[in-house]
Amino acid sequence: NAGVMQNPRHLVRRRGQEARLRCSPMKGHSHVYWYRQLPEEGLKFMVYLQKENIIDESGMPKERFSAEFPKEGPSILRIQQVVRGDSAAYFCASSLQGYGNTIYFGEGSWLTVV
Amino acid sequence: KQEVTQIPAALSVPEGENLVLNCSFTDSAIYNLQWFRQDPGKGLTSLLLIQSSQREQTSGRLNASLDKSSGRSTLYIAASQPGDSATYLCAGFPMEYGNKLVFGAGTILRVKS
Repeated sequence: NAGVMQNPRHLVRRRGQEARLRCSPMKGHSHVYWYRQLPEEGLKFMVYLQKENIIDESGMPKERFSAEFPKEGPSILRIQQVVRGDSAAYFCASSLQGYGNTIYFGEGSWLTVV
Repeated sequence: KQEVTQIPAALSVPEGENLVLNCSFTDSAIYNLQWFRQDPGKGLTSLLLIQSSQREQTSGRLNASLDKSSGRSTLYIAASQPGDSATYLCAGFPMEYGNKLVFGAGTILRVKS
Protein backbone atom coordinates (compact mmCIF):
# COMPACT_ATOMS: atom_id res chain seq x y z
CA ASN A 1 0.00 0.00 0.00
CA ALA A 2 1.79 3.07 -1.25
CA GLY A 3 2.07 5.98 1.11
CA VAL A 4 1.47 9.63 0.37
CA MET A 5 3.30 10.43 -2.85
CA GLN A 6 4.65 13.88 -3.57
CA ASN A 7 6.43 15.23 -6.61
CA PRO A 8 8.70 16.77 -7.43
CA ARG A 9 10.90 16.06 -4.43
CA HIS A 10 13.10 19.04 -5.24
CA LEU A 11 12.20 22.07 -7.30
CA VAL A 12 14.25 25.16 -8.16
CA ARG A 13 12.49 28.23 -9.42
CA ARG A 14 13.64 31.74 -10.26
CA ARG A 15 11.88 34.65 -8.61
CA GLY A 16 8.64 35.42 -10.43
CA GLN A 17 8.11 31.91 -11.79
CA GLU A 18 5.34 29.53 -10.79
CA ALA A 19 5.75 26.41 -8.68
CA ARG A 20 3.31 23.49 -8.85
CA LEU A 21 3.55 20.77 -6.24
CA ARG A 22 1.59 17.55 -6.59
CA CYS A 23 0.31 15.12 -4.00
CA SER A 24 -1.41 11.75 -4.28
CA PRO A 25 -2.92 10.68 -0.95
CA MET A 26 -2.77 7.18 0.43
CA LYS A 27 -5.15 4.77 -1.24
CA GLY A 28 -8.65 5.24 0.11
CA HIS A 29 -7.91 8.58 1.77
CA SER A 30 -10.08 11.50 0.74
CA HIS A 31 -8.76 14.08 3.23
CA VAL A 32 -5.65 15.99 2.14
CA TYR A 33 -3.61 18.56 4.03
CA TRP A 34 -0.71 20.78 3.07
CA TYR A 35 1.88 21.96 5.58
CA ARG A 36 4.94 24.17 5.16
CA GLN A 37 8.22 23.89 7.02
CA LEU A 38 10.32 27.01 6.76
CA PRO A 39 14.05 26.83 7.55
CA GLU A 40 14.60 26.68 11.31
CA GLU A 41 10.85 26.72 11.95
CA GLY A 42 8.24 24.13 12.79
CA LEU A 43 5.57 22.80 10.49
CA LYS A 44 2.65 25.12 9.89
CA PHE A 45 -0.77 24.15 8.58
CA MET A 46 -1.72 25.68 5.24
CA VAL A 47 -4.89 24.10 3.86
CA TYR A 48 -7.27 21.16 4.28
CA LEU A 49 -9.12 19.75 1.29
CA GLN A 50 -11.50 17.00 0.43
CA LYS A 51 -12.35 15.98 -3.11
CA GLU A 52 -13.34 19.12 -5.06
CA ASN A 53 -13.71 21.14 -1.84
CA ILE A 54 -11.49 23.42 0.21
CA ILE A 55 -12.53 22.84 3.80
CA ASP A 56 -10.11 25.12 5.62
CA GLU A 57 -7.57 27.45 4.03
CA SER A 58 -6.90 29.59 7.08
CA GLY A 59 -3.16 28.91 6.91
CA MET A 60 -2.70 29.91 3.29
CA PRO A 61 -1.03 33.22 2.48
CA LYS A 62 -3.64 35.61 1.11
CA GLU A 63 -1.95 36.07 -2.25
CA ARG A 64 -0.13 33.91 -4.79
CA PHE A 65 -0.98 30.58 -3.13
CA SER A 66 -3.81 28.27 -4.16
CA ALA A 67 -4.68 24.62 -3.70
CA GLU A 68 -7.04 22.19 -5.31
CA PHE A 69 -8.02 18.54 -5.02
CA PRO A 70 -9.96 17.64 -8.15
CA LYS A 71 -12.32 14.73 -8.54
CA GLU A 72 -9.69 12.92 -10.57
CA GLY A 73 -5.97 13.23 -10.09
CA PRO A 74 -3.64 14.53 -7.40
CA SER A 75 -3.96 17.53 -5.15
CA ILE A 76 -2.02 20.53 -6.43
CA LEU A 77 -0.44 23.34 -4.41
CA ARG A 78 0.30 26.25 -6.73
CA ILE A 79 2.53 29.18 -5.90
CA GLN A 80 2.53 32.02 -8.37
CA GLN A 81 5.30 34.61 -8.77
CA VAL A 82 7.54 32.91 -6.23
CA VAL A 83 9.78 34.96 -3.95
CA ARG A 84 12.84 33.91 -1.94
CA GLY A 85 10.73 33.68 1.22
CA ASP A 86 8.72 30.85 -0.36
CA SER A 87 11.78 28.59 -0.15
CA ALA A 88 10.71 25.80 2.19
CA ALA A 89 9.72 22.17 2.43
CA TYR A 90 6.09 21.61 1.54
CA PHE A 91 4.53 18.51 3.01
CA CYS A 92 1.32 16.87 1.94
CA ALA A 93 -0.56 14.59 4.29
CA SER A 94 -3.70 12.52 4.12
CA SER A 95 -6.12 10.79 6.43
CA LEU A 96 -8.92 8.29 6.05
CA GLN A 97 -11.35 10.50 7.92
CA GLY A 98 -11.21 14.02 9.28
CA TYR A 99 -11.09 15.45 12.77
CA GLY A 100 -8.36 13.86 14.77
CA ASN A 101 -7.68 10.80 12.64
CA THR A 102 -4.12 9.58 12.16
CA ILE A 103 -2.45 11.77 9.57
CA TYR A 104 0.19 10.31 7.24
CA PHE A 105 2.77 12.52 5.63
CA GLY A 106 4.58 12.37 2.32
CA GLU A 107 8.32 12.83 1.86
CA GLY A 108 7.91 16.51 1.06
CA SER A 109 8.73 18.80 -1.84
CA TRP A 110 11.72 21.08 -1.28
CA LEU A 111 11.30 24.38 -3.09
CA THR A 112 14.30 26.62 -3.60
CA VAL A 113 13.76 30.07 -5.08
CA VAL A 114 16.87 31.64 -6.58
CA LYS B 1 -3.83 30.50 20.19
CA GLN B 2 -2.52 27.00 20.72
CA GLU B 3 1.24 26.69 21.05
CA VAL B 4 3.32 23.57 21.59
CA THR B 5 6.59 23.41 23.48
CA GLN B 6 8.96 20.48 23.32
CA ILE B 7 11.67 19.90 25.87
CA PRO B 8 14.56 19.33 25.52
CA ALA B 9 15.35 20.94 22.18
CA ALA B 10 18.23 18.51 21.71
CA LEU B 11 19.39 15.37 23.46
CA SER B 12 22.49 13.23 23.09
CA VAL B 13 22.62 9.87 24.88
CA PRO B 14 24.68 6.69 24.74
CA GLU B 15 23.16 3.63 23.20
CA GLY B 16 20.96 1.60 25.52
CA GLU B 17 19.63 4.44 27.63
CA ASN B 18 15.95 4.92 28.33
CA LEU B 19 14.81 8.44 27.62
CA VAL B 20 11.82 10.75 27.88
CA LEU B 21 10.79 13.51 25.52
CA ASN B 22 8.32 16.11 26.74
CA CYS B 23 5.61 18.08 25.02
CA SER B 24 3.21 20.66 26.46
CA PHE B 25 0.34 22.70 25.07
CA THR B 26 -0.62 26.23 26.11
CA ASP B 27 -4.27 25.26 25.83
CA SER B 28 -4.95 21.86 27.35
CA ALA B 29 -8.11 21.48 25.25
CA ILE B 30 -6.71 19.12 22.66
CA TYR B 31 -8.65 16.39 20.96
CA ASN B 32 -5.98 13.90 19.88
CA LEU B 33 -2.20 13.94 19.93
CA GLN B 34 0.24 12.44 17.47
CA TRP B 35 3.98 11.83 17.75
CA PHE B 36 6.14 11.82 14.62
CA ARG B 37 9.71 11.12 13.70
CA GLN B 38 11.53 13.13 11.01
CA ASP B 39 14.88 12.15 9.54
CA PRO B 40 17.01 14.85 7.85
CA GLY B 41 15.65 15.75 4.42
CA LYS B 42 12.77 13.34 4.81
CA GLY B 43 9.08 13.43 5.56
CA LEU B 44 7.35 12.65 8.82
CA THR B 45 6.76 9.12 10.02
CA SER B 46 3.79 8.68 12.31
CA LEU B 47 4.77 6.90 15.53
CA LEU B 48 1.77 6.97 17.82
CA LEU B 49 -1.69 8.55 17.95
CA ILE B 50 -3.37 9.03 21.32
CA GLN B 51 -7.07 9.54 20.87
CA SER B 52 -9.25 11.65 23.13
CA SER B 53 -10.53 8.64 25.04
CA GLN B 54 -7.05 7.21 25.67
CA ARG B 55 -4.28 8.09 28.08
CA GLU B 56 -1.40 6.26 26.46
CA GLN B 57 -0.30 4.21 23.47
CA THR B 58 2.52 1.73 23.03
CA SER B 59 4.37 0.50 19.97
CA GLY B 60 7.43 -1.65 20.45
CA ARG B 61 10.00 0.33 22.45
CA LEU B 62 7.88 3.47 22.32
CA ASN B 63 5.28 4.56 24.83
CA ALA B 64 3.42 7.85 24.67
CA SER B 65 1.16 9.23 27.36
CA LEU B 66 -1.20 12.16 27.46
CA ASP B 67 -2.42 14.09 30.48
CA LYS B 68 -5.26 16.18 29.08
CA SER B 69 -5.88 18.01 32.32
CA SER B 70 -2.43 19.59 32.16
CA GLY B 71 -1.94 19.52 28.39
CA ARG B 72 1.25 17.48 28.64
CA SER B 73 2.50 14.46 26.75
CA THR B 74 5.62 12.36 27.09
CA LEU B 75 7.27 9.99 24.66
CA TYR B 76 9.29 7.26 26.34
CA ILE B 77 11.90 5.42 24.29
CA ALA B 78 13.29 2.27 25.87
CA ALA B 79 16.75 0.86 25.20
CA SER B 80 17.67 3.54 22.68
CA GLN B 81 19.58 2.60 19.52
CA PRO B 82 21.64 4.66 17.04
CA GLY B 83 18.82 4.16 14.51
CA ASP B 84 16.55 6.15 16.79
CA SER B 85 18.54 9.28 16.00
CA ALA B 86 16.11 11.75 14.40
CA THR B 87 13.92 14.74 15.21
CA TYR B 88 10.84 13.86 17.21
CA LEU B 89 7.78 16.05 16.79
CA CYS B 90 4.61 16.12 18.81
CA ALA B 91 1.47 17.59 17.34
CA GLY B 92 -1.99 18.12 18.73
CA PHE B 93 -5.43 18.42 17.24
CA PRO B 94 -6.92 21.35 19.16
CA MET B 95 -10.54 20.98 20.23
CA GLU B 96 -11.36 24.22 18.52
CA TYR B 97 -10.26 23.13 15.04
CA GLY B 98 -9.63 19.43 14.99
CA ASN B 99 -8.37 19.10 11.45
CA LYS B 100 -5.24 21.18 11.93
CA LEU B 101 -2.27 19.67 13.61
CA VAL B 102 -0.33 22.18 15.72
CA PHE B 103 3.32 21.17 15.86
CA GLY B 104 6.08 21.69 18.35
CA ALA B 105 9.57 22.64 17.16
CA GLY B 106 10.82 19.14 17.88
CA THR B 107 13.50 17.40 19.92
CA ILE B 108 16.68 16.47 18.04
CA LEU B 109 17.82 13.12 19.37
CA ARG B 110 21.25 11.64 18.85
CA VAL B 111 22.00 8.16 20.13
CA LYS B 112 25.71 7.41 20.21
CA SER B 113 27.02 3.90 19.62
